[in-house]
Amino acid sequence: QKEVEQDPGPLSVPEGAIVSLNCTYSNSAFQYFMWYRQYSRKGPELLMYTYSSGNKEDGRFTAQVDKSSKYISLFIRDSQPSDSATYLCAMLLNTGFQKLVFGTGTRLLVSP
Amino acid sequence: ETGVTQTPRHLVMGMTNKKSLKCEQHLGHNAMYWYKQSAKKPLELMFVYSLEERVENNSVPSRFSPECPNSSHLFLHLHTLQPEDSALYLCASSRERLQGGSGNTIYFGEGSWLTVV
Repeated sequence: QKEVEQDPGPLSVPEGAIVSLNCTYSNSAFQYFMWYRQYSRKGPELLMYTYSSGNKEDGRFTAQVDKSSKYISLFIRDSQPSDSATYLCAMLLNTGFQKLVFGTGTRLLVSP
Repeated sequence: ETGVTQTPRHLVMGMTNKKSLKCEQHLGHNAMYWYKQSAKKPLELMFVYSLEERVENNSVPSRFSPECPNSSHLFLHLHTLQPEDSALYLCASSRERLQGGSGNTIYFGEGSWLTVV
């Protein structure tokens, strides 16, 4: 079983739609959760960073963590064509030196 | 501008060539990383440097040779590569080596697209 599962997509939506991107994970010890956005032929850029459970909002983006279900989500409101990119989830354990564990990424296409 | 600069952005090399990828970070960070990104696979961590010392090598073949002369610069020396090594190579940095509880995370460069022919 992979540590982090993420649907590769592509997920196609019309402009203005609410987008839901998700990851599931198997290790309940993950405590820090990140979302990166990667445009085509570019490096990933940090979008959201959350700790433990709950919601975090930043403009049109909301990150949600449900530790009981081992499930994290990124919601994008009023989606724009400029949101078309691959979205990578990543997570980190609570203690010790370690590495980020990434999902494979979900490709999102927002059509005008 | 990400604060992490990689050169070259694109590289085509033959299997017998020797080339190097360069990374420079302008963020004052103390840890630097090389990742490999291939289609439909999660990012693969290759090497970790903390305060110029290599602290992690994730079973990377010896045809990839990293070098970290100081905390701002990182190189990946390439020799006798195989076509399956074609991928996007990403450099990243973080304030300190990643450790749980620190609120720390990594910041990527734009990547170097490598094609081995």
